[in-house]
Amino acid sequence: DTEVTQTPKHLVMGMTNKKSLKCEQHMGHRAMYWYKQKAKKPPELMFVYSYEKLSINESVPSRFSPECPNSSLLNLHLHALQPEDSALYLCASSQLWELEDTQYFGPGTRLTVL
Amino acid sequence: GNSVTQMEGPVTLSEEAFLTINCTYTATGYPSLFWYVQYPGEGLQLLLKATKADDKGSNKGFEATYRKETTSFHLEKGSVQVSDSAVYFCALRTQGAQKLVFGQGTRLTINP
Repeated sequence: DTEVTQTPKHLVMGMTNKKSLKCEQHMGHRAMYWYKQKAKKPPELMFVYSYEKLSINESVPSRFSPECPNSSLLNLHLHALQPEDSALYLCASSQLWELEDTQYFGPGTRLTVL
Repeated sequence: GNSVTQMEGPVTLSEEAFLTINCTYTATGYPSLFWYVQYPGEGLQLLLKATKADDKGSNKGFEATYRKETTSFHLEKGSVQVSDSAVYFCALRTQGAQKLVFGQGTRLTINP
């Protein structure tokens, strides 16, 4: 089974709201990722957690705050977002194997910021 | 730097036509190569992968061969179906890196 789940599927929020996106995997993967995807573009990496520690932050604004409570869960806390942050947010996970590492993606959360 | 170049879309074909989507890459060392597919309104699904030269990845009738000499990983399918309509992304990951480098994506539409 290569399933990554994400909730909610859709989210509409105002610029003053605080919300969270959730991601879960039960494949025993040790790395989890957040990507942002704008329409008609490829995904852009935001954050990577390896063994529950933040290993990559691609210079993402602080209004996005990731959290990895355990090896199966990944959250993205959102605060004071801008309309240009509206996008599809994708979570992925991988085994962290050196040669064969493969990222598996969830269905995404479509975020609209009003 | 590392990069992936895909043929520009959109690509429109009739059902049962032969499909080729070109993908070439620039990378240091020997990257792993991937094709992902994104159906409308969904996330990315791994379609196939190859981790070393001359490897052939295959899945659901799609194939791609890792060609080190031409730095290519072209996606092919012998007979496409309407259900293959989607956006296809070619991607690479270099050894030791966690970041995927994506091509721009190719939108494929199959008409009945």
